[in-house]
Amino acid sequence: NAGVTQTPKFRVLKTGQSMTLLCAQDMNHEYMYWYRQDPGMGLRLIHYSVGEGTTAKGEVPDGYNVSRLKKQNFLLGLESAAPSQTSVYFCASSYPRPSSGRSSYEQYFGPGTRLTVT
Amino acid sequence: GENVEQHPSTLSVQEGDSAVIKCTYSDSASNYFPWYKQELGKGPQLIIDIRSNVGEKKDQRIAVTLNKTAKHFSLHITETQPEDSAVYFCAAVPGTNAGKSTFGDGTTLTVKP
Repeated sequence: NAGVTQTPKFRVLKTGQSMTLLCAQDMNHEYMYWYRQDPGMGLRLIHYSVGEGTTAKGEVPDGYNVSRLKKQNFLLGLESAAPSQTSVYFCASSYPRPSSGRSSYEQYFGPGTRLTVT
Repeated sequence: GENVEQHPSTLSVQEGDSAVIKCTYSDSASNYFPWYKQELGKGPQLIIDIRSNVGEKKDQRIAVTLNKTAKHFSLHITETQPEDSAVYFCAAVPGTNAGKSTFGDGTTLTVKP
């Protein structure tokens, strides 16, 4: 299993440009998440999804949109990028129902996407 | 909403010493407390977790303790090794909504050989 994969790994945007970050998981997880990580600020939840076709806002949703058309994919969109959105973005997934050997709420993270907006 | 505070922000220890990282949370609805380790250039990875019905959990050199009354939990690493050097995050998760995880700001642990 590849686990959680993210594309692209790096991206540089100019202010006002748009882009979509793709997250894919092959673990049949129900929950998926998008976080941003800024120096000294830990991980902040942008949006999350509790199942195919559902999305919900997290702590810092402004300027981002998401879609979960397929269970295995969770897309994060930036319609008009701003320098304040320069960050490292992490996708994660989890399986809310009990599973043998591991906590049901354990989140599995992707390798991250480093985005710079100039 | 939930607020998680993590201390210290940086911690440097000699190889073989113990390291302790502490977190406090504010929402009594939180009942699941994971700890993640993030190595340079990688995503966080779960190393240990604890539920609110347990006071302590141990896995080899790593242990976590939880004090529900005081709303704080701690990560203990014994016999530290250079490969323990990383950023460690605590988190608090409410049982009613696993999507609402709140993370601490992280602790950068450096183990000097």
